Amino acid sequence: AQKVTQAQTEISVVEKEDVTLDCVYETRDTTYYLFWYKQPPSGELVFLIRRNSFDEQNEISGRYSWNFQKSTSSFNFTITASQVVDSAVYFCALFNAGNMLTFGGGTRLMVKP
Amino acid sequence: KAGVTQTPRYLIKTRGQQVTLSCSPISGHRSVSWYQQTPGQGLQFLFEYFSETQRNKGNFPGRFSGRQFSNSRSEMNVSTLELGDSALYLCASSPSLAGGPSTYNEQFFGPGTRLTVL
Repeated sequence: AQKVTQAQTEISVVEKEDVTLDCVYETRDTTYYLFWYKQPPSGELVFLIRRNSFDEQNEISGRYSWNFQKSTSSFNFTITASQVVDSAVYFCALFNAGNMLTFGGGTRLMVKP
Repeated sequence: KAGVTQTPRYLIKTRGQQVTLSCSPISGHRSVSWYQQTPGQGLQFLFEYFSETQRNKGNFPGRFSGRQFSNSRSEMNVSTLELGDSALYLCASSPSLAGGPSTYNEQFFGPGTRLTVL
């Protein structure tokens, strides 16, 4: 069975602060994919990034960066210089066999002006 | 290309009733997955349909069912509604190209249907 844990249920920061959202996963599969999604108040899940289990390169996209460490089964997400528009719930998810996503519990990020 | 659409967006029902939710996938996508999101249980996989067949199922009671039509549109049905069925129901479509069980298929999510059971 697979499991995704996001230990931080809620984080509050002041605008322009950097913030890191943690994600730890469990799976017995050797081939899998990891995702981050953003869910604004409207409810729709917005895809942010996908990583496969064979690619441990970190990635940076604008103010967003991701740190994938297979040795610790972690896939952490950092927002640099946070903005109020970053306020949302962020989900880490694991995809493996069965065309099914297993989601973490989500981290609610509140960025205050 | 139009995204995934879900209807209705909001629904209010009473306990014991049944409800049908609809999902229209992105054109050309053959796989439709359904997820339930509640404050207590988070986001949980319900089932996936591919070419009109249920291909994968999550851990939900038989009151939750679904189907897929030849045009890939999907419906999910919940019978004998309970208060705990109040949730946001999300639908996701993917191209689901040929491949083994570990073949990655990106999922595109719709806006969801918010169901309230009174």
